[in-house]
Amino acid sequence: AQKVTQAQTEISVVEKEDVTLDCVYETRDTTYYLFWYKQPPSGELVFLIRRNSFDEQNEISGRYSWNFQKSTSSFNFTITASQVVDSAVYFCALMDGANNLFFGTGTRLTVIP
Amino acid sequence: EAGVAQSPRYKIIEKRQSVAFWCNPISGHATLYWYQQILGQGPKLLIQFQNNGVVDDSQLPKDRFSAERLKGVDSTLKIQPAKLEDSAVYLCASSRQTLQETQYFGPGTRLLVL
Repeated sequence: AQKVTQAQTEISVVEKEDVTLDCVYETRDTTYYLFWYKQPPSGELVFLIRRNSFDEQNEISGRYSWNFQKSTSSFNFTITASQVVDSAVYFCALMDGANNLFFGTGTRLTVIP
Repeated sequence: EAGVAQSPRYKIIEKRQSVAFWCNPISGHATLYWYQQILGQGPKLLIQFQNNGVVDDSQLPKDRFSAERLKGVDSTLKIQPAKLEDSAVYLCASSRQTLQETQYFGPGTRLLVL
């Protein structure tokens, strides 16, 4: 069975601090995809990144970076120099070979000005 | 490119009433999904369509929920009769036809059942 765990329920940081959101997954599939989505107060889930199980290269996009480690089944997300606009709920998700998307319970990030 | 559109954005009904939600996917996206997101949880899949056919409805409570995508574009999700525990955000998502494509989500409909 597929499972995604986001152990951090809520995180608060002061603006300009760095913050890392943790994601641990479980799957027996050899081919799978991992995602991060952002859900601002407006409610829409905004796609941030997608990673397949064969690509463990870390990725950086502006202030965002992602660290994928198959050895620890983790796909962590770091925001550098956080801003108030980063305040949202962030979801990690796993897509299996049958196209099913399994979400974690989310981490609520609050950036204090 | 326009995103996934959903309406209404908010709905308040009393238990045992019926309600319907509408979704228009991204143009050209063959696959459409309906998710239920209860407060404090991640979204959970209710039903997946490929064009106008159902791919997976194993998590849809079929005694009260129904969904259709008659012409392979827009979709409607209906609840009849609603229960208190149906209070949630109903999210629609779409993706291109190929497997394991990224799903793009609409703004959701917030349903409150009193």
